[in-house]
Order: sequence, then structure tokens, then C-alpha cells
Amino acid sequence: KNEVEQSPQNLTAQEGEFITINCSYSVGISALHWLQQHPGGGIVSLFMLSSGKKKHGRLIATINIQEKHSSLHITASHPRDSAVYICAVYNYGQNFVFGPGTRLSVLP
Amino acid sequence: DAGVTQSPTHLIKTRGQHVTLRCSPISGHKSVSWYQQVLGQGPQFIFQYYEKEERGRGNFPDRFSARQFPNYSSELNVNALLLGDSALYLCASSLSDRDIQYFGAGTRLSVL
Repeated sequence: KNEVEQSPQNLTAQEGEFITINCSYSVGISALHWLQQHPGGGIVSLFMLSSGKKKHGRLIATINIQEKHSSLHITASHPRDSAVYICAVYNYGQNFVFGPGTRLSVLP
Repeated sequence: DAGVTQSPTHLIKTRGQHVTLRCSPISGHKSVSWYQQVLGQGPQFIFQYYEKEERGRGNFPDRFSARQFPNYSSELNVNALLLGDSALYLCASSLSDRDIQYFGAGTRLSVL
């Protein structure tokens, strides 16, 4: 069993839809990151969470430490949101572990 | 303000050679981390440095080494290159070893 799992693996949505990507982890963590990777390799850090909820524009990230679960929501999705979204957990002094990613395609 | 810069952007080497990849963090950031991303897979953590000290190491062989300089820039060295080392090598910087990380565009290494 992987330490970090994401669902779904692939997601296709119509422009304007509300999107949720889930991340579950099995290890103790000090922080969780959500990353966005566009074709060609560029990675953008979206959020770092250790508790609660954060919002930036149309993106919302939540984390439940007790349940070891985080969600990334995209409201009013747009084709430019098409990318791979990666959940990564960090335990201070140990490895930074990445999830397998969720490939999102938003169709116009 | 410049983001994380990596050099070179692309590199082709042959088996057995060594390679040095460079990373300049965002101004004011004192932590640099290195990641390897093989085509079709997620990134794998290699090293993290903070204030010139190694703070974390992933499951990579001793052929991989890194260091951080007084100006907080960093080098990743890989010796005795193998075909399997072909990957995108990503550098990320952060204010400290506990802050959100910002990624560079990566160096794409091809080992022939």
C-alpha cells in the first residue's frame, strides 16, 4: 500500500464544473502540499496545509489530520486548469512523499 | 523577483559519466530540495538542505550527492550515470525546511 494515495487517477470535466480531488495518507505528517504540474514538467505549489482549510481564487484545499485525508476543490473549472495535481506529504526530518497524481482534463 | 532557476535546462550524457546540476533559490529562501521525476511517474525526493546542512535524504544510492553553498544555491551531483538516471530533476526552494516549496522548471537529463 502506498503511503500517499489519490483519487481519482484521471478526471475529465466540462468547463464550469466543480471538481474534487482526494488525497489519503498513512503516515504521520507535519504538512501536506498540493502541487500542479502542467505538460512539459513545470510544477507550481498551490497550497501547504497543516490544518483546516485554505482558499486561493477558485481553489480550496482542506485537510483532516485525524482522518489523514485532504481534498482539493476547483470551483468553476476552466480548460486552463487541465494539469496533473499532486498531493505530497512532509514529515519534518524524513522523506517528502508524493502521491501518484490526478490527471485532470477540463473540456471547453 | 526571480523564481527558482535551474541550469542547464537540458543535458545529454553517456553511461558512466558524471553530471552536476545547479539550482538558485528564490531570494531569501534558505532551503533547497531536489527531486527526480522519471517520465510518467511522480517526483521522488532526493535531498533537502537547509542552512547548508542536509535535512533529509530519499532512497537514492550514494552516487547521488548534493551540497548547499553560503549563498544558498545548491548543486546536485550524480556519478557513474546509468540509463535509469534519465529523468527531469526538479529543485524547489522554501524559506525554511518547513515552508511551502516553490519549484524550478527542472533540468531534463538524458543518459545514453
